[in-house]
Amino acid sequence: KAGVTQTPRYLIKTRGQQVTLSCSPISGHRSVSWYQQTPGQGLQFLFEYFSETQRNKGNFPGRFSGRQFSNSRSEMNVSTLELGDSALYLCASSEFGTGVNTEAFFGQGTRLTVV
Amino acid sequence: QKEVEQNSGPLSVPEGAIASLNCTYSDRGSQSFFWYRQYSGKSPELIMFIYSNGDKEDGRFTAQLNKASQYVSLLIRDSQPSDSATYLCAVSKGGKLIFGQGTELSVKP
Repeated sequence: KAGVTQTPRYLIKTRGQQVTLSCSPISGHRSVSWYQQTPGQGLQFLFEYFSETQRNKGNFPGRFSGRQFSNSRSEMNVSTLELGDSALYLCASSEFGTGVNTEAFFGQGTRLTVV
Repeated sequence: QKEVEQNSGPLSVPEGAIASLNCTYSDRGSQSFFWYRQYSGKSPELIMFIYSNGDKEDGRFTAQLNKASQYVSLLIRDSQPSDSATYLCAVSKGGKLIFGQGTELSVKP
């Protein structure tokens, strides 16, 4: 069974640009969550998509957005990049979402560097 | 007060010893509790999760949950150098995972 696949693995972007990251969950999993990991803030929740609908959202500005397709693949978009957006972006796949008795598995992450 | 707190470490144990990692959380409404292991430069890897009070064992790992004390721990028996990593405690709340800052574990040969 294939794991969670994130592409690309590494990105270098310039301030002001926008970027799109992709996540393909484990087959059969309908929930995809996105997290940002930085040395200072640790892992922080961005948002969760379930069956093409955003179900939960964290405390990030509107520059961060996402969507999910009918095959459960998800994309995350960051517009008007800032230096502080440099981070490891992780997506987590779970069958029904993070709750009681439901595991969440992470992809390898996308390392975004904004210069 | 942070929602999920862990000692940052580093926690150093000799090979073969028991490593004990601790985590406290502030919200009594938290539902499930997860332990992830993260090697430097890699993504978090799920070790185990627990949602009922008591102990849950999986191989060399035992998770312990005490909801009354709002405390969850992870014991690693017969620690190996390959266990050296950062261990992240996460709490499920409202459909998202809230992570602690992680405890760095170093197992010395």
